Amino acid sequence: GAVVSQHPSRVICKSGTSVKIECRSLDFQATTMFWYRQFPKQSLMLMATSNEGSKATYEQGVEKDKFLINHASLTLSTLTVTSAHPEDSSFYICSAQYWGQTDTQYFGPGTRLTVL
Amino acid sequence: AQKITQTQPGMFVQEKEAVTLDCTYDTSDPSYGLFWYKQPSSGEMIFLIYQGSYDQQNATEGRYSLNFQKARKSANLVISASQLGDSAMYFCAMSTGTASKLTFGTGTRLQVTL
Repeated sequence: GAVVSQHPSRVICKSGTSVKIECRSLDFQATTMFWYRQFPKQSLMLMATSNEGSKATYEQGVEKDKFLINHASLTLSTLTVTSAHPEDSSFYICSAQYWGQTDTQYFGPGTRLTVL
Repeated sequence: AQKITQTQPGMFVQEKEAVTLDCTYDTSDPSYGLFWYKQPSSGEMIFLIYQGSYDQQNATEGRYSLNFQKARKSANLVISASQLGDSAMYFCAMSTGTASKLTFGTGTRLQVTL
């Protein structure tokens, strides 16, 4: 149980285009999902917290107009990188919180974004 | 503010041996959770084990156990009988109070050798 999928796993796009990444909890409902960014050989950096039916809460320094988050249902959250630039190239990984005894976050497999 | 410290950037262990990955934490919140995740080269983050601040017993999950020493604010991961497939990056993380956000350490890269 507690499986989270993420799509696409890899995406290459041209500078200036927008890219949408989907995060789905497959076997549980997740009122809260999280979006992280990870640079090579570094730890995960939380970008935003996404709650179903409400606006996402962004961490300091993360541009909310650039990284649009939508959490339209209890099993789906999307991250759209708008007008992507090469510096947005990174590994993006989502997690969904399973509200059991431990409130553990289960992670998706990640999306590697390359902006040319 | 919450902080997780992992002081071992890399560790080596021989197959079938046990290894301890260090993690210390800092928080003023009396209620917190400690997590360990494994990240293989594929990139996915795999949940391994959880320890609550009020848990009296150390958490165990198969070959993984968490050596929780509250007074020292440490939450070391012990992997017994290491396998080649254990080679990966390991992250310690903490959540506090009612907040769900995780604070991650910098990670330890474990290499299991023959």
